Amino acid sequence: DAKTTQPNSMESNEEEPVHLPCNHSTISGTDYIHWYRQLPSQGPEYVIHGLTSNVNNRMASLAIAEDRKSSTLILHRATLRDAAVYYCILRDDGGTSYDKVIFGPGTSLSVIP
Amino acid sequence: KAGVTQTPRYLIKTRGQQVTLSCSPISGHRSVSWYQQTPGQGLQFLFEYFSETQRNKGNFPGRFSGRQFSNSRSEMNVSTLELGDSALYLCASSTLQGSGAEAFFGQGTRLTVV
Repeated sequence: DAKTTQPNSMESNEEEPVHLPCNHSTISGTDYIHWYRQLPSQGPEYVIHGLTSNVNNRMASLAIAEDRKSSTLILHRATLRDAAVYYCILRDDGGTSYDKVIFGPGTSLSVIP
Repeated sequence: KAGVTQTPRYLIKTRGQQVTLSCSPISGHRSVSWYQQTPGQGLQFLFEYFSETQRNKGNFPGRFSGRQFSNSRSEMNVSTLELGDSALYLCASSTLQGSGAEAFFGQGTRLTVV
């Protein structure tokens, strides 16, 4: 079954770039890689997603390894509002497995002023 | 535009009872998915509905069920509650079903089973 692993926690200085890694060595060809973040007492918030190519949006960039077995979420300039738990998620619409949506354990990001 | 609304926000139930949670998606969104979040297991996918049909289902026992109405509102039901069902239940909506869509989450319903 597909599985994702993430570091439990990371720290960054404010206005510095942050690279949040995710390993998904058992990813299938039809799995999309999604990133969401969650602030305390709130539901998760969409950050970015991709399939094979690197992706950029106003919030972040997603770098996907050529073999797709890992990916990195990049926050270009961390702010205090970026302090949250970041989840790496695999989503698959193919096949018949029940494991359609696999959440990583999440990385708790602390931003130091 | 109103966000995803989940009701109730908090709920306390007794073991063996059943519970129904409600989710109103963002207007125009036809896909609704449900998730369970616990300190031990983290976030887990329950099921996804699109146009009143269940499209995907996570690995949960049959005590967990759901449905979607013609106005896209969704309910999930848990029968014969167990202590381990205590969790934050999250609902998310999106315009499309499946992997390529951005999902918008509600604030969740905190269920406590005693």
